[in-house]
Amino acid sequence: QSVLTQPPSASGTPGQRVTISCSGSSSNIGSNTVNWYQQLPGTAPKLLIYSNNQRPSGVPDRFSGSKSGTSASLAISGLQSEDEADYYCAAWDDSLNAHVVFGGGTKLTVL
Amino acid sequence: EVQLVESGGGLVQPGRSLRLSCAASGFTFDDYAMHWVRQAPGKGLEWVSGISWNSGSIGYADSVKGRFTISRDNAKNSLYLQMNSLRAEDTALYYCAKDYYAGYSSTIDYWGQGTLVTVSS
Repeated sequence: QSVLTQPPSASGTPGQRVTISCSGSSSNIGSNTVNWYQQLPGTAPKLLIYSNNQRPSGVPDRFSGSKSGTSASLAISGLQSEDEADYYCAAWDDSLNAHVVFGGGTKLTVL
Repeated sequence: EVQLVESGGGLVQPGRSLRLSCAASGFTFDDYAMHWVRQAPGKGLEWVSGISWNSGSIGYADSVKGRFTISRDNAKNSLYLQMNSLRAEDTALYYCAKDYYAGYSSTIDYWGQGTLVTVSS
C-alpha cells in the first residue's frame, strides 16, 4: 500500500489529452512539492516534472504538472505512442520518519 | 554525461548480507545527495535510503531501518548500501540515484540501470 495513491491504469488515443492523479495527505503533498517520473518498459525511471510543474531540460512541453491541496496531477497532451510507460509521483513526507514516498504507479496505454 | 553504475547484486540466502556499490561520474559527486531506490519484480518504485552531500543527513525507509546502512566516499565518487539480515521481500532491482539538491529530497534527476538482488534459499 503506497503512501501516495495513483490509479493503476490510464489510457488514451494518439493526440488525446490524458491526466494522471496522485493523492496524498497534509504530511506529504500538502506541505511539499511533487515530482513525476516516467519509466519506459525495461528502462530506469526518468525525471519528468519537478517542483510541481517544472520540466527538466529536454522534456517536451506536452507534459505538465499541477498541485492543489493534497493532490497533484500530471497531464499529457498530444498523446504519442512513445508515451506508453509507467508514471510515478513522489514527494517528501514530514511524518515521524521523514522520508521520500512514491505513488504506486500508473500504467499508461496508448490505444 | 552523468553516469551511475551499480554493482554487487546477486543471489543470497535469507539472513545473509550483501554490499552494493555505485560508481558515479560526469558530475561533482560531493555537491549532491544520493539515494538507493528499489523495484521488486513487476512492482512499483520504493525509496530505500538517502544521504546528503556530506553524510550529515541520512534516512531510511521503515522496511529497511536497522538492517541497511547507506554510506558514501566522496574521495572515490562512490555510494554504498550495506544490506544485512536480508529477507525474501528485499528481492528487487536496486537503483543508485542522484538528487537534484545537496540535501536529500524527493527530486531525483539521474538514475543508474540497477543491480538485481535476489534473496532465496
